[in-house]
Amino acid sequence: QQQVKQSPQSLIVQKGGISIINCAYENTAFDYFPWYQQFPGKGPALLIAIRPDVSEKKEGRFTISFNKSAKQFSLHIMDSQPGDSATYFCAANLVGNTPLVFGKGTRLSVIA
Amino acid sequence: DVKVTQSSRYLVKRTGEKVFLECVQDMDHENMFWYRQDPGLGLRLIYFSYDVKMKEKGDIPEGYSVSREKKERFSLILESASTNQTSMYLCASEPQGRPQHFGDGTRLSIL
Repeated sequence: QQQVKQSPQSLIVQKGGISIINCAYENTAFDYFPWYQQFPGKGPALLIAIRPDVSEKKEGRFTISFNKSAKQFSLHIMDSQPGDSATYFCAANLVGNTPLVFGKGTRLSVIA
Repeated sequence: DVKVTQSSRYLVKRTGEKVFLECVQDMDHENMFWYRQDPGLGLRLIYFSYDVKMKEKGDIPEGYSVSREKKERFSLILESASTNQTSMYLCASEPQGRPQHFGDGTRLSIL
C-alpha cells in the first residue's frame, strides 16, 4: 500500500518529441505528488509537484496530469531537449509529516 | 538557495571499518533524511529525523545508525562496513510541509 510504481524504467525520445512517465499508487491517503529530476553526479532536485485537488499542473514544458479515480499520475515533457536527459523520480506522501515514498526512477535519454 | 552539503563526494573504506557520513543543511529545516541509491532500486530510505536527538527507522536501517546532535547536522554511521553497503548515499532536508532538498551524494566503496 505504501508503494509507488513507476514506468517505464528507461525511455528514449527524439528531440522535439513528448516524453511521458507514469506512476501508480495504492494508498488513497497520499496527498502530495512531486517529481524529482536527477542529473549524473547530482542529487535529485524538485521539478514540479501536484496535490490531488487539481487534475493538471503545468510549468513551462513540464506538466503533471493527475487521475485520482485511477490512482495514477504522469509527467509529460513537451518539446523534449537533450538537456532533459536525466533520471526522473515520482514520489508521494501522506497527510502530515511523513517521509516521501519514491518510485524506482526512469532514465530518460533525448537524442538529436 | 537551500544548501545541503555532504562532507565527501567519494569515499573508499575497508570491510569492518566504522564509517561516518556527514550532512549539513543551512536552512534550519526540521526534517532530515538518509537514502541509498542503487541502480534499478531507486531511492531507499535508511533513517530520518524530525528533530534534534530524534531518529526513526526507514525501510532499510539494518547495519546503519544515525546521530543528530544539532539541528543542521545529520550523520549516518556504518557500524561495521560490508561490501553490500557499497552505494551512493544521499542526504536530504525539508521544512515541515515540503519540499525535500538533496545533497549531491557520497559515492561509498567498501573493499
